[in-house]
Amino acid sequence: EDKVVQSPLSLVVHEGDTVTLNCSYEVTNFRSLLWYKQEKKAPTFLFMLTSSGIEKKSGRLSSILDKKELSSILNITATQTGDSAIYLCAAALGSGAGSYQLTFGKGTKLSVIP
Amino acid sequence: NAGVTQTPKFQVLKTGQSMTLQCAQDMNHNSMYWYRQDPGMGLRLIYYSASEGTTDKGEVPNGYNVSRLNKREFSLRLESAAPSQTSVYFCASRGQLNTEAFFGQGTRLTVV
Repeated sequence: EDKVVQSPLSLVVHEGDTVTLNCSYEVTNFRSLLWYKQEKKAPTFLFMLTSSGIEKKSGRLSSILDKKELSSILNITATQTGDSAIYLCAAALGSGAGSYQLTFGKGTKLSVIP
Repeated sequence: NAGVTQTPKFQVLKTGQSMTLQCAQDMNHNSMYWYRQDPGMGLRLIYYSASEGTTDKGEVPNGYNVSRLNKREFSLRLESAAPSQTSVYFCASRGQLNTEAFFGQGTRLTVV
C-alpha cells in the first residue's frame, strides 16, 4: 500500500523562528514529490521535486528531496503569521510515460504566533 | 482562466439521498482527481482519471462512482449518501508528466 507520512502533525512557533517539516514516502513507481500550502480553502502549489539533492527555493521557503532516504523536507525561515497553514506533501506515482496518481500525507498544521 | 471549477460549493443531504458533484477544468489537462478531506486526515484520493475514458479507484472509493464525461469534466456521484460521507470534497487536475496539480475551491457536503 502506498504511504506518505508527514511529521510533525502540528507545530506552534513564534514569529521569526525557523521550522523544518518532514515528509517520507513508501510508494511504488515514484515520480516526484509535491508540496502544497492550504489556508482556508484549496491547496496552493509550492514546490515539485524530482531529483535528489537539488534545493528549490522561493523566498523564505525551501525544499529538498532525498531519494535514498525516501524523504523530503520543507524549511521556512523567519516565520511570519501569514505562514500559518496546513502544509501538505504528495507523492506522484505512475508508470509508462506519465505520472498519474497523487497520494497525500495527512499534513502538518503550522501555527505562527506573534 | 477559470482553472478548476467545482459545483456546488455547499450541500446538505439527507441520509439515502443521491447527488452528483461536478468538476470542470479549462487547462486541457489529461489527469483529474477527486479527494475528500476530513479533519486530521489530509487529502484522501477517492477516484482518479489518468486520461479521457479511463477511471481508477483511489484509497477510499466505497460509496462513490465517477464519470469522465469528456476531457474537461469529471463528476463524482453519491448514490445513497451516508453521514460518514460528510466531508469537504476537492477536485484537481494535472497535465502530463511531472507538473503540479491545480485544485478547485471545494464542496462542503453535510449528510444528516
